[in-house]
Amino acid sequence: DTAVSQTPKYLVTQMGNDKSIKCEQNLGHDTMYWYKQDSKKFLKIMFSYNNKELIINETVPNRFSPKSPDKAHLNLHINSLELGDSAVYFCASSLRGNKAGYGYTFGSGTRLTVV
Amino acid sequence: SQQGEEDPQALSIQEGENATMNCSYKTSINNLQWYRQNSGRGLVHLILIRSNEREKHSGRLRVTLDTSKKSSSLLITASRAADTASYFCATYNTGANSKLTFGKGITLSVRP
Repeated sequence: DTAVSQTPKYLVTQMGNDKSIKCEQNLGHDTMYWYKQDSKKFLKIMFSYNNKELIINETVPNRFSPKSPDKAHLNLHINSLELGDSAVYFCASSLRGNKAGYGYTFGSGTRLTVV
Repeated sequence: SQQGEEDPQALSIQEGENATMNCSYKTSINNLQWYRQNSGRGLVHLILIRSNEREKHSGRLRVTLDTSKKSSSLLITASRAADTASYFCATYNTGANSKLTFGKGITLSVRP
């Protein structure tokens, strides 16, 4: 199946731990993103990579570090987790700048709960 | 910062009725997109309308864009219970480092 797949789907962890979320797309897209959706469903972009190059880095604590080993993968590592990091994290992909005229394809999300 | 503002925040209609959702935005855009999110799921792209387009159709969906008023509307005709979801408008801004910025979303409930 062509898709954006992210793992794990659920992640429950204690404050202070370090965790990673992985994302892979097999759509041939060249740009990948991380979005955070809070409890009020507000979606905010965190990072964007184009062909392994970081192009968007919003005001995100430096405890969050994205890594893109190739254009089909974008992982998110979070150090020293805090209660406020609890949210649903979505990976998405697209062709660069929507030039192809298509929207973003989203993964199914990772629900992170910090206790 | 948030770009799109959807209106209303919640909408409840009877199956078979039409649902109209509005979105306003603040800056210049390259295109505007609508997404659907079912409970506990990811977002699904519904339709994209470019800044030089005024209206677009896709199945039961009709999107309009008024760049002079910086607003868009999404019309779902002959709604079905399966249309129950949250709907988001998202704007893709012009300029360098363009990005897709989402509104707060509209919760649509379609009663069988």
